[in-house]
Amino acid sequence: EDQVTQSPEALRLQEGESSSLNCSYTVSGLRGLFWYRQDPGKGPEFLFTLYSAGEEKEKERLKATLTKKESFLHITAPKPEDSATYLCAVRGSGYSTLTFGKGTMLLVSP
Amino acid sequence: DVKVTQSSRYLVKRTGEKVFLECVQDMDHENMFWYRQDPGLGLRLIYFSYDVKMKEKGDIPEGYSVSREKKERFSLILESASTNQTSMYLCASSFGVRNSPLHFGNGTRLTVT
Repeated sequence: EDQVTQSPEALRLQEGESSSLNCSYTVSGLRGLFWYRQDPGKGPEFLFTLYSAGEEKEKERLKATLTKKESFLHITAPKPEDSATYLCAVRGSGYSTLTFGKGTMLLVSP
Repeated sequence: DVKVTQSSRYLVKRTGEKVFLECVQDMDHENMFWYRQDPGLGLRLIYFSYDVKMKEKGDIPEGYSVSREKKERFSLILESASTNQTSMYLCASSFGVRNSPLHFGNGTRLTVT
């Protein structure tokens, strides 16, 4: 059974204070690791897909990295508009479905 | 941009009612999914579909059924709503290739009283 654990559950940062969110996973034959952003009252918004260890993807202040056991979402010099819940999900071999972690709620204060 | 539209943002129903949640996508995606999201439990898969008239059970299918008569539309049915089905329901779709990400609608917040 695929499993995803995200930490911390919640993170409060000052504007400009860089940090990282962690996503640890157990999966049989990783077919992709996905990061999503979710704003309150809305559906998750797709950010990145990572496929193999060593891969990195960037978008504005966000950078996602992948190892064989975990992924990190690095947030550089965050702004208040980066406040959201960040979800990590994995897809194992043989399936099109995703298994999600419970998310990290990020709050960036001005 | 992919658009996944859920027919209702908020819904209030009574215990025992039959409830229909509708989802439409405009990107000709083969796959469609229904998740529910609860605090502390995260996103849990209810049902999914790879093609018209095809359906597969997810992790928590009990008390739910689905219908996919057209490629763009995927309906979630609560046969007899119960208070423990109060939740945020999220529909998603994706292309058939395995590495395709899911694209979500904005959800339906269902309250069963």
